[in-house]
Amino acid sequence: QKEVEQDPGPLSVPEGAIVSLNCTYSNSAFQYFMWYRQYSRKGPELLMYTYSSGNKEDGRFTAQVDKSSKYISLFIRDSQPSDSATYLCAIPPSGSARQLTFGSGTQLTVLP
Amino acid sequence: EPEVTQTPSHQVTQMGQEVILRCVPISNHLYFYWYRQILGQKVEFLVSFYNNEISEKSEIFDDQFSVERPDGSNFTLKIRSTKLEDSAMYFCASKGDTGELFFGEGSRLTVL
Repeated sequence: QKEVEQDPGPLSVPEGAIVSLNCTYSNSAFQYFMWYRQYSRKGPELLMYTYSSGNKEDGRFTAQVDKSSKYISLFIRDSQPSDSATYLCAIPPSGSARQLTFGSGTQLTVLP
Repeated sequence: EPEVTQTPSHQVTQMGQEVILRCVPISNHLYFYWYRQILGQKVEFLVSFYNNEISEKSEIFDDQFSVERPDGSNFTLKIRSTKLEDSAMYFCASKGDTGELFFGEGSRLTVL
């Protein structure tokens, strides 16, 4: 079983839509959960991270962790064309962030 | 804003040739990483480096790969004898006290 699995894309939505991006993970010991955004031909950049369960909000972005079902989500409200990118969930298996295991990424296109 | 810089942005090489990819991490960071992303696939961990030695490496990082921090600023990835399947984007990353991984924009390697 893969450590991190991510909903396949691509996902295309109209501007202003609410976007839901999801990942599942296998190891219940994982504590930190991260979302990276990667624009085309660029390196990943950290968008948000959460520790343990619950929600974390940052502007139009909300990261949610459900440890009971080993499910993590990223919600984007009022999506904009500039949000068009690939979104990667990432988990540091050791808990120390010495290395990250990335999901396969979901490519999002927000249409104007 | 401090950033991780990588050179070259694109390198084309013949199979069997040696390649060195260079990175300048953020100056006060102590942890350094190389990741790679084959076109259309996920970002994969290659190696992490701390205190002048490799701290972790993946199964991808075989004897053909090596890393070095030759001076106080550069962090290099060498591929001794390139293969066609080494064609990918190679991302350098560094991490400081906050635990956030900062990625460079990547070096695209094309092996012919």
